[in-house]
Parts: sequence; structure tokens; C-alpha cells
Amino acid sequence: AQKITQTQPGMFVQEKEAVTLDCTYDTSDPSYGLFWYKQPSSGEMIFLIYQGSYDQQNATEGRYSLNFQKARKSANLVISASQLGDSAMYFCATRTRGSNYKLTFGKGTLLTVNP
Amino acid sequence: DTEVTQTPKHLVMGMTNKKSLKCEQHMGHRAMYWYKQKAKKPPELMFVYSYEKLSINESVPSRFSPECPNSSLLNLHLHALQPEDSALYLCASSQERGPRNTEAFFGQGTRLTVV
Repeated sequence: AQKITQTQPGMFVQEKEAVTLDCTYDTSDPSYGLFWYKQPSSGEMIFLIYQGSYDQQNATEGRYSLNFQKARKSANLVISASQLGDSAMYFCATRTRGSNYKLTFGKGTLLTVNP
Repeated sequence: DTEVTQTPKHLVMGMTNKKSLKCEQHMGHRAMYWYKQKAKKPPELMFVYSYEKLSINESVPSRFSPECPNSSLLNLHLHALQPEDSALYLCASSQERGPRNTEAFFGQGTRLTVV
């Protein structure tokens, strides 16, 4: 079975600063994908970034980057230059062949960006 | 167009009612999903359709009945629900449910209240 752990229930950051949201995972499957989603209060789950287990480089998408440390089974999300609109719940998720490709989510981190 | 459309956005129903949630995507995705999300919790998988066939049922009670009429549409039929079924119901789609580990795109969800 796979497990995703997000140890920060809530995080605060000042506007324009960078913030790191932690995520660790536990899987014995050699092939897996790691995902980050943003969920504003409106409810929609917005895909942010993806990292494959065999990818050699850390994924980046605009202000989002993923700090992938495979040996430590860590996939932290870094948001640079935070904006007020970044305030939302952030979920880390994984998908493996062994889990029948189900997307399994962590408990989430509520990020609040202060002006 | 990376859009998954869910209707209705809000639904209030009595315990004896029959209602349906609808989900539509036109991205050519062949895998579609229903998730249930309680407040302050991560989404939990309910059903997966792959190539219009039900491939995963996460032991969901029979008062929830999924249907996939074609590759673009996914319905969730509701009957004799309980107040504890009140939640945000999210639909998602992805290119396929396979080794490519592609991201899932979510709709805005239907906020269901059972009274």
C-alpha cells in the first residue's frame, strides 16, 4: 500500500516570499508519479505539477517547483514569490502501478498568504 | 481545453429523493473518476471508469450508482442517501488509467447536502 504524509496542517507566508510545503511518500513500487494539487475554497482541484519516479530533473511549472529527493522519498512543493491568490489547500498525491493507478492523497496543507 | 464540467454545483436533497450528478469532459480522456470529499479531508476515490467500463468500485454503498453513457459523460445516480453522505463530489478525468502516470483533471465539484 502507498502512503502520503503532509506534516504541516497549516502554513503562513508573507506575500512575495517563497514557501515550501512538505510531502513524503512511502511506496515499494519502482514506478510512480507524484502530483501536487491546489484546492481553493471554491472546491475545484487544480493540477499544479507532476514528477515521475524516473525523472532525472526536478519538475518546474512557472512559480512552482518540486524538490524531489528520491532516496528520502520526499517531494516538497516550492512556491516562489507568493501571491494572495495562492491561499488555498494544497494536496500531495501519488499514483502507482501497485495501487491500480489510483490517485492517493495526503491530508493537505492549508496555506495562507498574508499581505 | 482542459476542462471538466460538473452539474449541478449545489444540490440539496431529501433522504427519499432520487437525483443525479453529471460530469462531462471533451479532452478525449478515457479514464473518468468519482471522488467524495468531506470538509477538511482529502478526496476519497469512489469509482473509476476506464474505456467506459467500471474498473474500480471502492466498496461504495449501492445507494450510489455510477453510469458512463459514453466516453465524454459520467453520471452518479443518488437514491435514499443519508445525511452523512453530504459532501463535495468531485469528478475527474485522465488520458488513461495506465503506466504513463498522467495527471487527472478535476471539475469544480457538486456540493451535496442531504436533509
